[in-house]
Amino acid sequence: KAGVTQTPRYLIKTRGQQVTLSCSPISGHRSVSWYQQTPGQGLQFLFEYFSETQRNKGNFPGRFSGRQFSNSRSEMNVSTLELGDSALYLCASSFGLAGDPYEQYFGPGTRLTVT
Amino acid sequence: AQKITQTQPGMFVQEKEAVTLDCTYDTSDQSYGLFWYKQPSSGEMIFLIYQGSYDEQNATEGRYSLNFQKARKSANLVISASQLGDSAMYFCAMREDLVGGSNYKLTFGKGTLLTVNP
Repeated sequence: KAGVTQTPRYLIKTRGQQVTLSCSPISGHRSVSWYQQTPGQGLQFLFEYFSETQRNKGNFPGRFSGRQFSNSRSEMNVSTLELGDSALYLCASSFGLAGDPYEQYFGPGTRLTVT
Repeated sequence: AQKITQTQPGMFVQEKEAVTLDCTYDTSDQSYGLFWYKQPSSGEMIFLIYQGSYDEQNATEGRYSLNFQKARKSANLVISASQLGDSAMYFCAMREDLVGGSNYKLTFGKGTLLTVNP
């Protein structure tokens, strides 16, 4: 079965611009989580979506937002990009219901560079 | 407060030998889960093994086993018969259960860079 896919794999943007990243979960998975990975801060949780609703949110400014569609695909958007937003953005998918296996599977990531 | 601690920034092991990567965690919850992920230089996070806090047996997946010591709040990863392809960054992560709901937020440690020497 196909794994988690993320597009695009690489992006270069300029400060002040906005960017949208996409994540398609494993078939049958309804939960999608997003993480930011930087050398300084490590892996940090951004938010999690389940059935088109944000279920959990990390400690990031409002410039970071997301959404989920009825087919469970998710997008995250970063507005007014700052240099510090340069990172590897990873999404992870899981079944999402209590009692289901809790394993989360990650996609290959989108590497965002802000210049 | 740091919830996941990986005290070994880097580890070296000879091919075919076993290696243990340390992980300690901090939580006041009774119900939680512990994960190990491998991240090669390509960047993708590869799920290795999961241990639930109520699981009585230590989790095993092929060459990977998780040495779960609940009282000591440790969840060390043991890799048996190391291979050159095991060279990567390894992350320990924890999921804490929320009362009345599911929680899929993972808190990660800083990672351990494992190098397997031929």
